Amino acid sequence: NAGVTQTPKFRVLKTGQSMTLLCAQDMNHEYMYWYRQDPGMGLRLIHYSVGEGTTAKGEVPDGYNVSRLKKQNFLLGLESAAPSQTSVYFCASSYRGLAGGTDTQYFGPGTRLTVL
Amino acid sequence: GENVEQHPSTLSVQEGDSAVIKCTYSDSASNYFPWYKQELGKRPQLIIDIRSNVGEKKDQRIAVTLNKTAKHFSLHITETQPEDSAVYFCAAMGWGKLQFGAGTQVVVTP
Repeated sequence: NAGVTQTPKFRVLKTGQSMTLLCAQDMNHEYMYWYRQDPGMGLRLIHYSVGEGTTAKGEVPDGYNVSRLKKQNFLLGLESAAPSQTSVYFCASSYRGLAGGTDTQYFGPGTRLTVL
Repeated sequence: GENVEQHPSTLSVQEGDSAVIKCTYSDSASNYFPWYKQELGKRPQLIIDIRSNVGEKKDQRIAVTLNKTAKHFSLHITETQPEDSAVYFCAAMGWGKLQFGAGTQVVVTP
């Protein structure tokens, strides 16, 4: 039982390049989330998914796209990377996340992305 | 949307003393309040959480209190140890999404 895993662990991109970050969980969780973490700003929600085939915008969605084709995987894409997207990206999953039915979010190990 | 403020941003304590971190939230609909600990270069890990129908919860040296009327909640760490040094984040959940505070860097000096 690996929990939540992320690939890659590190990546350096040039401005304008694209890439996809992969998050996988083996806990059969319905909800998955992508956050970015910048110094002094905590974790900010980029996009999230409440189930296979569904996605929704979070607090800072601009410049990112996501897909949830399989329940266990949640992909985060950067179509045209910008230096402002330099950050540490964390994926998380939870069994449920509906209002009134809350549960623990388990985080992946993170991806450190640098955009030059 | 929800807004969570966390204070202080840094906290230095002597080993054995207590540490208190305070958070306030804005959305009265928020009903779940977890606390995460993040060591340098690691992922955030849940250390304790509290739900809106409970006023206080304790787990060994860690306790959390919630005042729904005032919309604030606090983390209390007693008998601090060097391994408690980390960044601590509070969060509030409403409508299925977590809003995190900016974090508190706790340094425990021997």
